[in-house]
Amino acid sequence: EVQLVESGGGQVKPGGSLRLSCAASRFTFSKYSMNWVRQAPGKGLEWVSSISSGDNYIYYADSVKGRFTVSRDNAKNSLYLQMNTLKAEDTAVYYCARGFGAMIGDYYGMDVWGQGTTVTVSS
Amino acid sequence: QAVLTQPSSLSASPGASASLTCTLRSGINVGIYRIYWYQQKPGSPPQYLLRYKSDSDKQQGSGVPSRFSGSKDASANAGILLISGLQSEDEADYYCMIWHSSTWVFGGGTKLTVL
Repeated sequence: EVQLVESGGGQVKPGGSLRLSCAASRFTFSKYSMNWVRQAPGKGLEWVSSISSGDNYIYYADSVKGRFTVSRDNAKNSLYLQMNTLKAEDTAVYYCARGFGAMIGDYYGMDVWGQGTTVTVSS
Repeated sequence: QAVLTQPSSLSASPGASASLTCTLRSGINVGIYRIYWYQQKPGSPPQYLLRYKSDSDKQQGSGVPSRFSGSKDASANAGILLISGLQSEDEADYYCMIWHSSTWVFGGGTKLTVL
């Protein structure tokens, strides 16, 4: 069964940084686009970022552009999210999710999701 | 106005059908979008249910029962998730999603209560 396991969450002060990781297994990671989606406490889902299989296409939500950086290491079957200049409104559970294929776009929504890692930004 | 609007809650009885709507903002034509649907139960990540663009372009998630189906109402500019033969286990939050202006956009979610 396809598996995605997020890690790296925790509590950080406003203005601080955190790096999330997502370890993928039981599928050919290098053939799939990947996504980060977050969910603030008691709120709905919010897309954060997407990266194509070969990391040649990357997209960000306006709310994180310039502060967050998505990357991947296909040799390590891992996805990352570097989060800088964190704000209280970044507090959320962060999910990584696999895309339907290599690219990003209408046909390549998310099919498999990890369990999530919690990020709390508070002084 | 939000890109995607979902009713915040919906109640239905066991065995009945529930129609969950996802209305696109005026000026965004539902006909050209592939609409994704996700189910989320408390304390769990979202689960992919299906995606629907047209009757000839749709996909059911692996293991998702056929009583979950997708459609569109062009007159309402909305995507629809129809759940027939409601079961207590269908009680959950449901989210729609589209790819719009090079971003993934989620609806605000509908909390479905089965009682």
